[in-house]
Amino acid sequence: QVQLLESGPGLVKPSETLSLTCTVSDYSITSGYYWGWIRQPPGKGLEWIGSIHHSGSAYYTTSLKSRATISVDTSKNKFSLKLSSVTAADTAVYYCVRDQSREVPAIDWGRGTTVTVSS
Amino acid sequence: EIVMTQSPATLSVSPGERATLSCRASQSVGSNLAWYQQKPDQAPRLLIYGASTRATGIPARFSGSGAGTEFTLTISSLQSEDFAVYYCQQCNNWPYTFGQGTKLAIK
Repeated sequence: QVQLLESGPGLVKPSETLSLTCTVSDYSITSGYYWGWIRQPPGKGLEWIGSIHHSGSAYYTTSLKSRATISVDTSKNKFSLKLSSVTAADTAVYYCVRDQSREVPAIDWGRGTTVTVSS
Repeated sequence: EIVMTQSPATLSVSPGERATLSCRASQSVGSNLAWYQQKPDQAPRLLIYGASTRATGIPARFSGSGAGTEFTLTISSLQSEDFAVYYCQQCNNWPYTFGQGTKLAIK
């Protein structure tokens, strides 16, 4: 069973950069298809942020493309999300996920981590 | 970017009855459509992928159908644990996109 664990600050100030890491256990990140980030603002639906392959190829949602960067560290079996110039609208639960294949997205999820943007 | 539209926003159904949830894509996504279930304070879980294939451990009362732009999730004989929010997601084109969700409520 693949284990995914998100970590990072729970509070970020407006205009700063949100940084989260997803640690993958019991599975090699280089064996996976794509690894992604999904977020959910309080009381709202799911928003796909982006995904990365262990080779470094990444895709992002249109609305966050200019602010989001996903990277992968195969030596540490982790991947990360950076979101710059955050505002209160970026307050959300952030989930990391494993895509098994093009046909099987988000088969495994982390528990999620809450990030609040506030001064 | 492909827009996914789910209907209805809220569906009220009695336990033991059938629930039918819809998802429409703004352009064809083939069969690359997934359904997720989310319960309060939990991460979502994958129910259906490839439009109609149940994920591991998902009961047979959950079924998915459709292709192209129109998709349906059917839950036959609703159990108490099925009342939750359901999301569809297309994984045919980057960027992947979700529908806004359907809340399945107890009638």
